[in-house]
Amino acid sequence: AQRVTQPEKLLSVFKGAPVELKCNYSYSGSPELFWYVQYSRQRLQLLLRHISRESIKGFTADLNKGETSFHLKKPFAQEEDSAMYYCALSGRNFNKFYFGSGTKLNVKP
Amino acid sequence: DVKVTQSSRYLVKRTGEKVFLECVQDMDHENMFWYRQDPGLGLRLIYFSYDVKMKEKGDIPEGYSVSREKKERFSLILESASTNQTSMYLCASSPGSLRTYNEQFFGPGTRLTVL
Repeated sequence: AQRVTQPEKLLSVFKGAPVELKCNYSYSGSPELFWYVQYSRQRLQLLLRHISRESIKGFTADLNKGETSFHLKKPFAQEEDSAMYYCALSGRNFNKFYFGSGTKLNVKP
Repeated sequence: DVKVTQSSRYLVKRTGEKVFLECVQDMDHENMFWYRQDPGLGLRLIYFSYDVKMKEKGDIPEGYSVSREKKERFSLILESASTNQTSMYLCASSPGSLRTYNEQFFGPGTRLTVL
Protein backbone atom coordinates (compact mmCIF):
# COMPACT_ATOMS: atom_id res chain seq x y z
CA ALA A 1 0.00 0.00 0.00
CA GLN A 2 1.13 3.52 -0.69
CA ARG A 3 2.16 5.42 2.39
CA VAL A 4 4.09 8.55 3.32
CA THR A 5 5.46 8.86 6.84
CA GLN A 6 6.71 12.01 8.51
CA PRO A 7 7.82 10.92 11.98
CA GLU A 8 8.12 14.38 13.52
CA LYS A 9 5.03 16.44 14.23
CA LEU A 10 7.09 19.39 15.43
CA LEU A 11 10.67 20.39 14.84
CA SER A 12 12.18 23.39 16.64
CA VAL A 13 15.60 24.77 15.71
CA PHE A 14 17.45 28.02 16.25
CA LYS A 15 18.10 30.44 13.43
CA GLY A 16 21.27 29.50 11.59
CA ALA A 17 21.13 25.85 12.62
CA PRO A 18 20.83 23.04 10.07
CA VAL A 19 17.43 21.48 9.65
CA GLU A 20 16.31 18.12 8.32
CA LEU A 21 12.66 17.13 7.94
CA LYS A 22 12.27 13.42 7.53
CA CYS A 23 10.07 11.64 5.03
CA ASN A 24 9.84 7.93 4.32
CA TYR A 25 7.58 6.31 1.80
CA SER A 26 6.34 2.97 0.57
CA TYR A 27 5.22 2.52 -3.00
CA SER A 28 5.32 -0.38 -5.42
CA GLY A 29 6.81 1.23 -8.48
CA SER A 30 8.64 4.44 -9.30
CA PRO A 31 7.00 7.30 -7.48
CA GLU A 32 7.36 11.00 -7.90
CA LEU A 33 8.16 12.75 -4.60
CA PHE A 34 7.32 16.30 -3.57
CA TRP A 35 7.63 18.67 -0.64
CA TYR A 36 4.79 21.11 -0.08
CA VAL A 37 4.87 24.04 2.35
CA GLN A 38 2.13 26.04 4.04
CA TYR A 39 3.11 29.36 5.60
CA SER A 40 0.83 30.96 8.15
CA ARG A 41 -2.44 32.13 6.55
CA GLN A 42 -1.29 31.08 3.07
CA ARG A 43 -2.34 28.25 0.82
CA LEU A 44 -0.44 25.04 0.46
CA GLN A 45 2.15 25.36 -2.28
CA LEU A 46 4.83 23.25 -3.92
CA LEU A 47 8.31 23.72 -2.50
CA LEU A 48 10.24 21.24 -4.61
CA ARG A 49 10.01 17.95 -6.47
CA HIS A 50 12.64 15.23 -6.74
CA ILE A 51 12.62 15.20 -10.55
CA SER A 52 13.82 18.80 -10.74
CA ARG A 53 16.82 18.20 -8.48
CA GLU A 54 16.84 21.91 -7.65
CA SER A 55 17.32 23.99 -4.53
CA ILE A 56 14.42 26.22 -3.55
CA LYS A 57 14.84 28.83 -0.80
CA GLY A 58 18.00 26.97 0.21
CA PHE A 59 16.16 23.66 0.66
CA THR A 60 17.20 20.45 -1.05
CA ALA A 61 15.84 16.92 -0.97
CA ASP A 62 17.43 13.77 -2.32
CA LEU A 63 15.47 10.70 -3.21
CA ASN A 64 17.09 7.64 -1.65
CA LYS A 65 15.44 4.63 -3.25
CA GLY A 66 17.36 2.15 -1.11
CA GLU A 67 16.10 3.70 2.13
CA THR A 68 12.83 4.86 0.53
CA SER A 69 13.39 8.32 1.95
CA PHE A 70 13.07 11.88 0.71
CA HIS A 71 14.34 14.05 3.54
CA LEU A 72 14.23 17.84 3.24
CA LYS A 73 17.37 19.68 4.28
CA LYS A 74 18.62 23.21 4.72
CA PRO A 75 22.07 24.05 6.08
CA PHE A 76 21.10 27.32 7.81
CA ALA A 77 17.49 27.78 8.92
CA GLN A 78 15.87 31.22 8.76
CA GLU A 79 12.91 32.49 10.80
CA GLU A 80 10.87 32.82 7.62
CA ASP A 81 11.19 29.06 7.12
CA SER A 82 8.75 28.53 9.99
CA ALA A 83 5.81 26.74 8.41
CA MET A 84 4.03 23.43 7.99
CA TYR A 85 5.80 21.03 5.64
CA TYR A 86 4.17 18.08 3.90
CA CYS A 87 5.90 15.30 2.03
CA ALA A 88 3.84 13.86 -0.84
CA LEU A 89 4.03 11.04 -3.32
CA SER A 90 2.40 10.55 -6.68
CA GLY A 91 2.34 7.51 -8.89
CA ARG A 92 3.35 7.57 -12.52
CA ASN A 93 -0.26 7.73 -13.59
CA PHE A 94 -0.26 11.35 -12.42
CA ASN A 95 -3.51 10.98 -10.60
CA LYS A 96 -3.65 10.49 -6.86
CA PHE A 97 -1.29 12.13 -4.43
CA TYR A 98 -0.50 10.69 -1.01
CA PHE A 99 0.44 13.14 1.72
CA GLY A 100 2.23 12.65 5.00
CA SER A 101 0.82 13.97 8.25
CA GLY A 102 3.05 17.04 8.14
CA THR A 103 5.87 18.50 10.22
CA LYS A 104 5.61 21.92 11.78
CA LEU A 105 8.97 23.67 11.62
CA ASN A 106 9.57 26.39 14.17
CA VAL A 107 12.72 28.45 13.71
CA LYS A 108 13.54 30.39 16.86
CA PRO A 109 15.47 33.69 16.80
CA ASP B 1 -0.65 31.43 -12.74
CA VAL B 2 -2.97 28.60 -11.81
CA LYS B 3 -5.85 29.81 -9.78
CA VAL B 4 -7.91 27.53 -7.62
CA THR B 5 -10.68 29.34 -5.84
CA GLN B 6 -13.08 28.18 -3.17
CA SER B 7 -16.47 29.75 -2.63
CA SER B 8 -16.07 30.56 1.06
CA ARG B 9 -13.16 31.08 3.44
CA TYR B 10 -15.30 30.58 6.54
CA LEU B 11 -18.60 28.78 6.93
CA VAL B 12 -20.73 28.07 10.00
CA LYS B 13 -23.53 25.53 9.71
CA ARG B 14 -25.86 23.66 12.04
CA THR B 15 -25.98 19.92 12.58
CA GLY B 16 -28.15 18.25 9.96
CA GLU B 17 -27.85 20.99 7.35
CA LYS B 18 -26.87 20.19 3.79
CA VAL B 19 -23.63 21.98 2.96
CA PHE B 20 -22.15 22.79 -0.43
CA LEU B 21 -18.48 23.68 -0.90
CA GLU B 22 -17.55 24.91 -4.35
CA CYS B 23 -14.17 24.87 -6.06
CA VAL B 24 -13.21 26.34 -9.42
CA GLN B 25 -9.92 26.09 -11.34
CA ASP B 26 -8.99 28.05 -14.43
CA MET B 27 -6.18 25.98 -15.97
CA ASP B 28 -8.11 23.29 -17.80
CA HIS B 29 -6.89 20.61 -15.38
CA GLU B 30 -8.32 17.12 -15.68
CA ASN B 31 -7.96 16.19 -12.01
CA MET B 32 -9.63 17.80 -9.03
CA PHE B 33 -9.49 16.80 -5.38
CA TRP B 34 -11.12 17.47 -2.03
CA TYR B 35 -9.11 17.03 1.19
CA ARG B 36 -9.69 17.52 4.88
CA GLN B 37 -6.84 19.08 6.81
CA ASP B 38 -6.82 18.38 10.54
CA PRO B 39 -3.97 18.97 13.04
CA GLY B 40 -1.84 15.88 13.46
CA LEU B 41 -3.62 14.04 10.66
CA GLY B 42 -2.32 15.98 7.69
CA LEU B 43 -4.28 15.94 4.45
CA ARG B 44 -6.81 13.19 4.00
CA LEU B 45 -8.36 12.63 0.61
CA ILE B 46 -12.16 12.67 0.57
CA TYR B 47 -12.89 12.34 -3.15
CA PHE B 48 -11.19 13.03 -6.42
CA SER B 49 -12.28 13.38 -10.00
CA TYR B 50 -10.21 12.73 -13.11
CA ASP B 51 -12.80 13.86 -15.65
CA VAL B 52 -16.20 15.45 -15.91
CA LYS B 53 -18.85 13.30 -14.22
CA MET B 54 -16.14 10.88 -13.04
CA LYS B 55 -15.31 10.47 -9.37
CA GLU B 56 -13.46 8.12 -7.09
CA LYS B 57 -13.61 7.71 -3.35
CA GLY B 58 -10.61 8.70 -1.36
CA ASP B 59 -9.69 7.58 2.14
CA ILE B 60 -12.59 9.17 4.05
CA PRO B 61 -15.65 9.48 1.78
CA GLU B 62 -18.27 8.66 4.40
CA GLY B 63 -20.74 11.49 4.90
CA TYR B 64 -19.64 13.28 1.73
CA SER B 65 -20.56 13.29 -1.93
CA VAL B 66 -19.20 15.22 -4.90
CA SER B 67 -20.33 16.60 -8.20
CA ARG B 68 -18.39 17.51 -11.31
CA GLU B 69 -20.68 18.66 -14.08
CA LYS B 70 -18.11 20.95 -15.69
CA LYS B 71 -14.39 20.50 -16.04
CA GLU B 72 -13.51 23.62 -14.07
CA ARG B 73 -15.85 23.06 -11.11
CA PHE B 74 -15.81 20.43 -8.37
CA SER B 75 -18.34 20.54 -5.57
CA LEU B 76 -18.20 18.83 -2.20
CA ILE B 77 -21.52 18.09 -0.53
CA LEU B 78 -22.11 17.26 3.09
CA GLU B 79 -25.49 15.57 2.99
CA SER B 80 -26.24 16.08 6.68
CA ALA B 81 -23.52 18.01 8.47
CA SER B 82 -22.26 16.67 11.77
CA THR B 83 -19.94 18.21 14.36
CA ASN B 84 -17.14 15.78 13.48
CA GLN B 85 -17.05 17.33 10.03
CA THR B 86 -15.79 20.59 11.50
CA SER B 87 -12.48 21.01 9.67
CA MET B 88 -10.46 22.86 7.06
CA TYR B 89 -11.41 21.72 3.56
CA LEU B 90 -8.89 22.07 0.77
CA CYS B 91 -9.58 21.80 -2.92
CA ALA B 92 -6.78 21.03 -5.38
CA SER B 93 -6.33 20.44 -9.08
CA SER B 94 -3.61 18.83 -11.18
CA PRO B 95 -2.99 18.52 -14.92
CA GLY B 96 -3.72 14.78 -15.25
CA SER B 97 -2.17 11.75 -16.89
CA LEU B 98 -2.16 13.16 -20.42
CA ARG B 99 0.21 15.94 -19.43
CA THR B 100 3.93 15.79 -18.80
CA TYR B 101 3.87 18.07 -15.79
CA ASN B 102 2.59 16.81 -12.46
CA GLU B 103 1.77 19.08 -9.53
CA GLN B 104 -1.20 19.74 -7.30
CA PHE B 105 -2.38 23.34 -6.99
CA PHE B 106 -4.39 24.21 -3.92
CA GLY B 107 -7.17 26.60 -3.10
CA PRO B 108 -7.08 28.82 0.00
CA GLY B 109 -9.27 26.47 2.01
CA THR B 110 -12.70 26.68 3.62
CA ARG B 111 -12.86 26.59 7.41
CA LEU B 112 -16.16 24.84 8.17
CA THR B 113 -17.62 24.85 11.66
CA VAL B 114 -20.64 22.67 12.37
CA LEU B 115 -22.51 23.62 15.54
